[in-house]
Formats: sequence, C-alpha cells, structure tokens
Amino acid sequence: QVQLVESGGGVVQPGGSLRLSCAASGFTFSSYGMHWVRQAPGKGLEWVAFIRYDGSNKYYADSVKGRFTISRDNSKNTLYLQMNSLRAEDTAVYYCAKDLKVQDYVPRYMDVWGKGTTVTVSS
Amino acid sequence: QSALTQPASVSGSPGQSITISCTGTSSDVGGYNYVSWYQQHPGKAPKLMIYDVSKRPSGVSNRFSGSKSGNTASLTISGLQAEDEADYYCSSYTSSSTGVFGGGTKLTVL
Repeated sequence: QVQLVESGGGVVQPGGSLRLSCAASGFTFSSYGMHWVRQAPGKGLEWVAFIRYDGSNKYYADSVKGRFTISRDNSKNTLYLQMNSLRAEDTAVYYCAKDLKVQDYVPRYMDVWGKGTTVTVSS
Repeated sequence: QSALTQPASVSGSPGQSITISCTGTSSDVGGYNYVSWYQQHPGKAPKLMIYDVSKRPSGVSNRFSGSKSGNTASLTISGLQAEDEADYYCSSYTSSSTGVFGGGTKLTVL
C-alpha cells in the first residue's frame, strides 16, 4: 500500500540544524511532486515546501525560505528536508505528503500523508 | 502568504448540514480553482476531502461537497455524523507558487 514514513526529528538548540527524511513506498515516487507540511503544538497546518517530481523546481514558504532546503533522491524513493538556523517557532510535527496529480508542476494537493516526525527547538 | 480565514468553530446536530467558509484574496482562492479541504482527527494526519474546489477523491463520502464564489470557498457537510467531528482546513495555491492553509475550523457534532 502507499506509505510515507518520516524520520529524523528530535530536540535541537536554537540556531542548530536537523535533516528530516521521508521514505516512500507503494507508488512510483519519481512521478509525483512532494510536500512538507508542519503543525505547531495545538496550532493549524502550515505548508512548508514543495519539490517537483524530477527535483527541477522547489518552492518554499516565506517563513522558511533561505533556511530550509527540500530535496529528493528518486533512486532511493526518499524525500528530505534540511533545516538550518532553527528557531523556537519551527517547533512542530513535520509531515511529508505526496502530491495528488502525476507530474504536477506546482504545489496543489496532498493526498497521502505520513504520520509525522516531531521537531523541538529549545535550549 | 497570510493564512486563509476560517471560522474557529462550527457545530451541528446529527443529520443536519453545516457549511465552513474559507476566505482569501484574488492572489489565492479568488485567482485559481485550486482549492482543497482536509479533515484531521485528533492525533492523526490530515486527509484530503475535496480538491479542485469541488471534486472528491475516491473513497470520500458524497456528503462532502465544495464550492467557491469570488474570494471565498466553502465546504458543506450534509447528513452530519458523529465521525465527522474533526478539524477542517482549507488550502489554496497562491500567485507566489506556494501553498497556503486556513487557520482551521473545529467541527462539533452535538
């Protein structure tokens, strides 16, 4: 079955770095764009980043632009989120999500979600 | 990238219909037919309920429907059931080639 499994979360000090991974299975990973979405404790969803199916284009929320980098390795069916210069406000559950449409070129819809990995930024 | 505006909460009795609004701008909701809705139960990942303003993914009940007028999109749930109690989020593509979510609406089934 279609599955996404995030990993790499943890506790990090402000200003630190963390790399999240998302292992995909059950679908042709290289044919779909992928998203990262986060949810701070007790808060709503926040779209973070999107990468096209072939990695050719990447899009970011203003809140993370210049600090976070989304990437993918289609040979390993894995999505990544490199997070640098972390702040307290980056504390959240981070979800990876598959885009609904094959080879979609912009971020639109997320039809399969992982269970999330928790990132806590605290001294 | 300001969040879309949703009511914080709505409620209804079993069997009734409710509507959740989602207001944006001409740079997001009003400018594109790329509005979606997600359902999230406590402690769970979100689930896509509506995309392209009014289309339902396979497996989603036809009690869920979506529409849009100008800068405001709406989600209607008819024949309310206890299992519909959850948080609901709207989302839209934006002119900055990004995504944006609404603040979320807590649906209570009385």
